[in-house]
Amino acid sequence: EDQVTQSPEALRLQEGESSSLNCSYTVSGLRGLFWYRQDPGKGPEFLFTLYSAGEEKEKERLKATLTKKESFLHITAPKPEDSATYLCAVQAVQGGSEKLVFGKGTKLTVNP
Amino acid sequence: NAGVTQTPKFQVLKTGQSMTLQCAQDMNHEYMSWYRQDPGMGLRLIHYSVGAGITDQGEVPNGYNVSRSTTEDFPLRLLSAAPSQTSVYFCASREGPYGYTFGSGTRLTVV
Repeated sequence: EDQVTQSPEALRLQEGESSSLNCSYTVSGLRGLFWYRQDPGKGPEFLFTLYSAGEEKEKERLKATLTKKESFLHITAPKPEDSATYLCAVQAVQGGSEKLVFGKGTKLTVNP
Repeated sequence: NAGVTQTPKFQVLKTGQSMTLQCAQDMNHEYMSWYRQDPGMGLRLIHYSVGAGITDQGEVPNGYNVSRSTTEDFPLRLLSAAPSQTSVYFCASREGPYGYTFGSGTRLTVV
């Protein structure tokens, strides 16, 4: 069964305190790993897609990396506006169909 | 370019009532899908469509129907609402290898 596990469930940081969020996955036929940001009351907002082990992508203070079993979202010198829930999802192939399987998310709070 | 538009934003139903959640996208995406998001459960796939006239079930399809008569629209129908269907519903679309675009969601309460 395809599965995505995110840790920690919640993370509280001080402004400027760098850290990493983890996403481990088991999937047959990985077609891509996605990171999303979700603010309260809003839909998920696309951040990154990673396709192969060793791939890295950056956007402002965020950097996503991928291995064969997990992905990390590194947050460098976070600001309060980075507070949100970060979702990880894998695009898997099941019975010839592609489906997006989500983790439960990591709620990040950055205090000023 | 509005992206993915969902209506209504909020809805309260009585048990047994029916309703349709609307989803429209203006990006000419072939793939569209519906998810529900519940506390502690993450986003779960209800139904999806790879193009007009083609739909398939996701992880939690019971109690929901879909159809896809045009590329732009992908409505989700609740035939007989139950309290277990209280949730936040998101519609998403994508094209090719790019990330999925989500709507802003419909918060549904069934009493």
